Amino acid sequence: GNSVTQMEGPVTLSEEAFLTINCTYTATGYPSLFWYVQYPGEGLQLLLKATKADDKGSNKGFEATYRKETTSFHLEKGSVQVSDSAVYFCALSDKGSSASKIIFGSGTRLSIRP
Amino acid sequence: NAGVTQTPKFRVLKTGQSMTLLCAQDMNHEYMYWYRQDPGMGLRLIHYSVGEGTTAKGEVPDGYNVSRLKKQNFLLGLESAAPSQTSVYFCASSRQGNYGYTFGSGTRLTVV
Repeated sequence: GNSVTQMEGPVTLSEEAFLTINCTYTATGYPSLFWYVQYPGEGLQLLLKATKADDKGSNKGFEATYRKETTSFHLEKGSVQVSDSAVYFCALSDKGSSASKIIFGSGTRLSIRP
Repeated sequence: NAGVTQTPKFRVLKTGQSMTLLCAQDMNHEYMYWYRQDPGMGLRLIHYSVGEGTTAKGEVPDGYNVSRLKKQNFLLGLESAAPSQTSVYFCASSRQGNYGYTFGSGTRLTVV
């Protein structure tokens, strides 16, 4: 079945450091891929998405490229800020599934030191 | 623009009690979902709905029931709460197609 695997956390970085959070997926078709962010005490918010191979999603300085050949969708940011501290979820939606159901990874907690 | 609203935000139940969680969306979305979030396990789909009057089981449906009598509301019921149902519950909605979800802010449920 479809699944998402992302790097375990927690990840702790200093402010202005470069961020990479790895995500790989398994899917039978050609899924849409997402990154969601969850700030403390809140629900998940869509951060970025990509719907086909080689698409790059970007938002708030974060980027991720849909790599079909490596089945990956790694999240990157060039210079993190304390306000980026949150839990990040990689996710996929199989275009063939009913109701556009999304499968989530287990989440990666990111902490940024001032 | 409220988006997705969940009530209540917190609740403590005793084992065997029942309760209903309410989710309301004002975006005219067709699809609605209930997930539970547990430490280290990400989000797991409980039930979902593709339109008014329809419901379907997700990954972990046992012990829960749902109803969608109106397009904007999706109710999650626990008939006889168990400690294993202690979790944070999230409702989400989406329009047709792979556009991603809009989430509510969650309900933290503790069953003692």
